[in-house]
Amino acid sequence: GAVVSQHPSWVICKSGTSVKIECRSLDFQATTMFWYRQFPKQSLMLMATSNEGSKATYEQGVEKDKFLINHASLTLSTLTVTSAHPEDSSFYICSARDGGRGAGSTNEKLFFGSGTQLSVL
Amino acid sequence: KQEVTQIPAALSVPEGENLVLNCSFTDSAIYNLQWFRQDPGKGLTSLLLIQSSQREQTSGRLNASLDKSSGRSTLYIAASQPGDSATYLCALQGGSEKLVFGKGTKLTVNP
Repeated sequence: GAVVSQHPSWVICKSGTSVKIECRSLDFQATTMFWYRQFPKQSLMLMATSNEGSKATYEQGVEKDKFLINHASLTLSTLTVTSAHPEDSSFYICSARDGGRGAGSTNEKLFFGSGTQLSVL
Repeated sequence: KQEVTQIPAALSVPEGENLVLNCSFTDSAIYNLQWFRQDPGKGLTSLLLIQSSQREQTSGRLNASLDKSSGRSTLYIAASQPGDSATYLCALQGGSEKLVFGKGTKLTVNP
């Protein structure tokens, strides 16, 4: 099956620093990637939709200048948390859709990375 | 706005029991529904996907049903094993590609 690699798995940083999280599709081209955030005991919430070669679409309430998304290639999307603060501590996870498969096939399943646990001190 | 509720929030059962996890949703205009498994500190593994036109899907010891009219889905796990211990998430996809997740049910299967 399709594999999505996400790095790092966990990161601890000081308040005010920036953290970059990578999401790679290893065996397929991901025209669209999604970034989710999950706070403890809460549901996964979509932060933004990333389309290759264009600007990301952010969900309401998500600061685009704080959470920078770059999807420069069909296999890589990055999320940069700029000037991180303790309240940004969360589990961040990406997912990708295989753009090479036709409708009605398994591309309708989204493939998820393993997630990144961010702790901001 | 779609809202997804999963009951119970946590469930502990002895090994070998059959069990049912529940998912309810408020907007029946869905494209599909997926059940995921999430292990601590790890990503999500898709277990079953049910298209809006389908009523159930089966994979091994797992069976998921979908009743759009009542806004409900169930995940049935037969002959549970300790390795089934995880958090199970229900997620719905509407007209866009966005998934709306429930908070999950944390399952513990005791040996």
